[in-house]
Amino acid sequence: GQSLEQPSEVTAVEGAIVQINCTYQTSGFYGLSWYQQHDGGAPTFLSYNALDGLEETGRFSSFLSRSDSYGYLLLQELQMKDSASYFCAVNGRGGGNKLTFGTGTQLKVEL
Amino acid sequence: DGGITQSPKYLFRKEGQNVTLSCEQNLNHDAMYWYRQDPGQGLRLIYYSQIVNDFQKGDIAEGYSVSREKKESFPLTVTSAQKNPTAFYLCATHSGGGRGSTGELFFGEGSRLTVL
Repeated sequence: GQSLEQPSEVTAVEGAIVQINCTYQTSGFYGLSWYQQHDGGAPTFLSYNALDGLEETGRFSSFLSRSDSYGYLLLQELQMKDSASYFCAVNGRGGGNKLTFGTGTQLKVEL
Repeated sequence: DGGITQSPKYLFRKEGQNVTLSCEQNLNHDAMYWYRQDPGQGLRLIYYSQIVNDFQKGDIAEGYSVSREKKESFPLTVTSAQKNPTAFYLCATHSGGGRGSTGELFFGEGSRLTVL
């Protein structure tokens, strides 16, 4: 099976940098994804790591270390609109592009 | 506009009733998925379909049924056998691509089901 753990809540101030961690136990996967979900809305894709290392997409970066079973999402220059829930997810090797999602982290950005 | 349409957005149901949630897509994606989300929790996979006329159970399929008669449509029926059906239901699609894909799912806006 697969399980992904995230902190339940993170709070940061506008303009700051915040890191949201994801630790996982899995029998194998193709890559680690990150999704953003505003209250009551649809999750939207942010980033994907197939290989170890850092992937940068604008203000968002994502990191993966398979040897440490660990990844993180880094958000820079925080804005109020970044207040949302963030989920990591793995694309398992069982086929079908099925994603197993983490428990989710609620990010609160304050003035 | 291209996208995924889920309906209804809100649905109330009495215990013992079946209810069907609609999911339609015009992205021309082969794979479609149904996820369930409970408050403060992650998404759990109910069913998925990689191609028309074929579908597989996900992690929490008990009490649910699906069909995939058309590429564009993947309706989910929540049956009376589902013991705790109140939840937010999300439909998603994937463009395919196997191992080389980014794993990006495209989600609809969701259907919120409340059992009274």
